[in-house]
Amino acid sequence: AQSVTQLDSHVSVSEGTPVLLRCNYSSSYSPSLFWYVQHPNKGLQLLLKYTSAATLVKGINGFEAEFKKSETSFHLTKPSAHMSDAAEYFCVVSALNSGNTPLVFGKGTRLSVIA
Amino acid sequence: KAGVTQTPRYLIKTRGQQVTLSCSPISGHRSVSWYQQTPGQGLQFLFEYFSETQRNKGNFPGRFSGRQFSNSRSEMNVSTLELGDSALYLCASSRSDSEAFFGQGTRLTVV
Repeated sequence: AQSVTQLDSHVSVSEGTPVLLRCNYSSSYSPSLFWYVQHPNKGLQLLLKYTSAATLVKGINGFEAEFKKSETSFHLTKPSAHMSDAAEYFCVVSALNSGNTPLVFGKGTRLSVIA
Repeated sequence: KAGVTQTPRYLIKTRGQQVTLSCSPISGHRSVSWYQQTPGQGLQFLFEYFSETQRNKGNFPGRFSGRQFSNSRSEMNVSTLELGDSALYLCASSRSDSEAFFGQGTRLTVV
């Protein structure tokens, strides 16, 4: 079985400062891990994915995440926050080679960016 | 390339009624999955269809059902609506073993 814990329900940063959104996972199988972002009244957009290749994954809009098996973590980072980054972020796990379903979502982290 | 299209975007229904939601996947994607998003429970997996067959099913009552057509378009149906069914219903499509692309969702309100 797979599960995901997002350690912060809300993170607030100032524009131009680094972003860190924390995620721990549990998986009985080799996991696929994803970060999705959801802006208000929008669907989910894929930021990046890990599927057992490089442990440091680069995504869109300057985001990246590092897979650490020893810590069962997949934290999302960005060097410098922008106002447009304010949204809900979801860490997601699925079993590799399962067709990526079902996706198991964390509870989400709401990112606020202060001018 | 067109994304995942869900219709309608908004729905208001009365308790006891039934509702059908539609999802058109990205061209070439044969897998369609449905998720329910609520403030209390977050995002939960409903079911997945691949080549017109249900391949996975989440832990929802039998009032929730779905189907997929030969062109990969999918519908989900909820019968005997309850207030607790009010949610954002998201559809996602993917090719086999690739990432899922989500539609904008259908906001269902049950009154």
